[in-house]
Amino acid sequence: AQTVTQSQPEMSVQEAETVTLSCTYDTSESNYYLFWYKQPPSRQMILVIRQEAYKQQNATENRFSVNFQKAAKSFSLKISDSQLGDTAMYFCALGSSNTGKLIFGQGTTLQVKP
Amino acid sequence: DVKVTQSSRYLVKRTGEKVFLECVQDMDHENMFWYRQDPGLGLRLIYFSYDVKMKEKGDIPEGYSVSREKKERFSLILESASTNQTSMYLCASSFILTGENTEAFFGQGTRLTVV
Repeated sequence: AQTVTQSQPEMSVQEAETVTLSCTYDTSESNYYLFWYKQPPSRQMILVIRQEAYKQQNATENRFSVNFQKAAKSFSLKISDSQLGDTAMYFCALGSSNTGKLIFGQGTTLQVKP
Repeated sequence: DVKVTQSSRYLVKRTGEKVFLECVQDMDHENMFWYRQDPGLGLRLIYFSYDVKMKEKGDIPEGYSVSREKKERFSLILESASTNQTSMYLCASSFILTGENTEAFFGQGTRLTVV
C-alpha cells in the first residue's frame, strides 16, 4: 500500500527566513512522482514543485527546493526567504506512474509572520 | 489555462438524499480523481478513473460511487447522504503521470453540508 505522512500539523516562520516541511512516504513501486502542493485560503490547490523518482538531482523552483532521499523515502520542502504570501497549507503527494493513483498527506499549515 | 470545474462551491443536502457532485475538465486528461478534505486528515482519495468507464477505489470508497461516461466528466455520487459525509470535496485531473511537466490540476472544491 502507498502512504504519505506529514508529521508537522503546523509551523511558523519569520518573514525572510528559511523553513523546512517534512514528508515521508512508502511505496513498493519504482516509477513514481512526488509533489508539493500549496493551498492558500482561497482553497485553490497550486503545484509548488515536483520530483521524478528516477532523478537523483533535487528539484528546485526559485525559492522552493526539495531534499529527496530515496532510500529513506523522505521528501522535504525547503522554502527560502519566506514571504507573507507563502502562508498556506502545504500537502505532500505521491503519484504512481503505473496505476495513476495519486495520494496526499495530512498537510502542514504554514504561517509566515511579519 | 487548464480548467477543472466543479458544479457547486457550496451545497446543503438532507440526510438520505442522493447527491451528485459533478466535475468537468477541458484538457483531455486521462486521469480524474475525487478527494475529500477534512481537518487533520488531509486529502483522502475516494475514487479515481484512468479512462472512460474505468474506475478504481481509493482509500475511502465506502458510501460513494462514481461515473465517468465521457472523458471530460467525472461524477461523485452519494447514494444516501449521511452527516459524516459533510466535508470539502475536491476534484482533480491529470495526464498519465509521466514526463517532466506532469501534475494534477484541481477544481475549486465543493463544501458539502449534510443536515
